Amino acid sequence: NAGVTQTPKFQVLKTGQSMTLQCAQDMNHNSMYWYRQDPGMGLRLIYYSASEGTTDKGEVPNGYNVSRLNKREFSLRLESAAPSQTSVYFCASTPGGSYEQYFGPGTRLTVT
Amino acid sequence: EDKVVQSPLSLVVHEGDTVTLNCSYEVTNFRSLLWYKQEKKAPTFLFMLTSSGIEKKSGRLSSILDKKELSSILNITATQTGDSAIYLCAVEPGGGTYKYIFGTGTRLKVLA
Repeated sequence: NAGVTQTPKFQVLKTGQSMTLQCAQDMNHNSMYWYRQDPGMGLRLIYYSASEGTTDKGEVPNGYNVSRLNKREFSLRLESAAPSQTSVYFCASTPGGSYEQYFGPGTRLTVT
Repeated sequence: EDKVVQSPLSLVVHEGDTVTLNCSYEVTNFRSLLWYKQEKKAPTFLFMLTSSGIEKKSGRLSSILDKKELSSILNITATQTGDSAIYLCAVEPGGGTYKYIFGTGTRLKVLA
């Protein structure tokens, strides 16, 4: 099992550009999550999907959209990147409630 | 508003010392509390504590949940330089949201 995979690992964007961060898991987990991590801020939830076909906003959803393409894949889209979106983005998955979350390796995004 | 607060924010100790990290929370319908260790990349799971499992131990690490005080501690005895990391606490509120709320983390540095 590869676990949770994310692509790309690194990305540099110019202000106003768009891009999609990809996440996939092969553990047959129901719930998937997107977080961003900034220095001194811990992990902040952007969006999550409790199960295939559902998505919900987290703490910091503005400027982002998500798609739960199927049970395996959960993508995060930045429509018009801004310097404030410079961060490390982590995808995670879990079978359901009250289980540990499994994290992907992260994507380091810089917006200039 | 659901909230998780960790203290101290950072800590520097010498090898062999014992450290205690704190996590306090205010959430509706508490379901579980998780501890993660984050070195350079993705967080890795340490412990999960629930109402029915309030104490966990693994080697030099142990954790206790205090349901009355709405808090948890993570103890590390006989610290080693390899324990240097950010330690994250996350709480899962109940109510079927499947969300996890993370604290800002405690940065631990262990000096040789």
